[in-house]
Amino acid sequence: DTAVSQTPKYLVTQMGNDKSIKCEQNLGHDTMYWYKQDSKKFLKIMFSYNNKELIINETVPNRFSPKSPDKAHLNLHINSLELGDSAVYFCASSQDHIVRHEAFFGQGTRLTVV
Amino acid sequence: QQQVKQSPQSLIVQKGGISIINCAYENTAFDYFPWYQQFPGKGPALLIAIRPDVSEKKEGRFTISFNKSAKQFSLHIMDSQPGDSATYFCAASPSGTYKYIFGTGTRLKVLA
Repeated sequence: DTAVSQTPKYLVTQMGNDKSIKCEQNLGHDTMYWYKQDSKKFLKIMFSYNNKELIINETVPNRFSPKSPDKAHLNLHINSLELGDSAVYFCASSQDHIVRHEAFFGQGTRLTVV
Repeated sequence: QQQVKQSPQSLIVQKGGISIINCAYENTAFDYFPWYQQFPGKGPALLIAIRPDVSEKKEGRFTISFNKSAKQFSLHIMDSQPGDSATYFCAASPSGTYKYIFGTGTRLKVLA
């Protein structure tokens, strides 16, 4: 069973469209994250949720809206897509942020905006 | 202060050799330092991690050396194998936060 799974794996869409990426973890973890990896492979955190509560929003444009319906799911909705949004988006989870920091990453969603 | 500087950007090593990747930080509030390995088309996977109260941690062929006073840490891959060819990221986590600050990555190629 995949620990952290994201759908879709690839997403090609036109500028101005709205799209969503879904993430689910079956590890029983309390904390979930969205990271963005740009074309130079630089990884940067976007959001973090702990027990469905938003903890971190790293100055991400408000066109990006995360939603956590329960502890096991963290979805990312993007409005009015721009060319600069093209990247690989990774979902991750960790048991918590104190005792066990290890973050487990999904396989990524490659978003291409044309 | 929230940066983690990683070097080299790329590294080529002969099979059986030692691969060394270095990272440096400035924020003394960082209290957890993991290394991640990423293969093309895959998500980063945790290799090994260390906390600042330990100077060295070894797991199999992978060793982290940590120098708290110099604010530097490094990954050593002993007996490097072609299967180790991947991109390696160091990271640091500020105490009490839910995030990692990643280094810029090192692309390692191990020649057969």
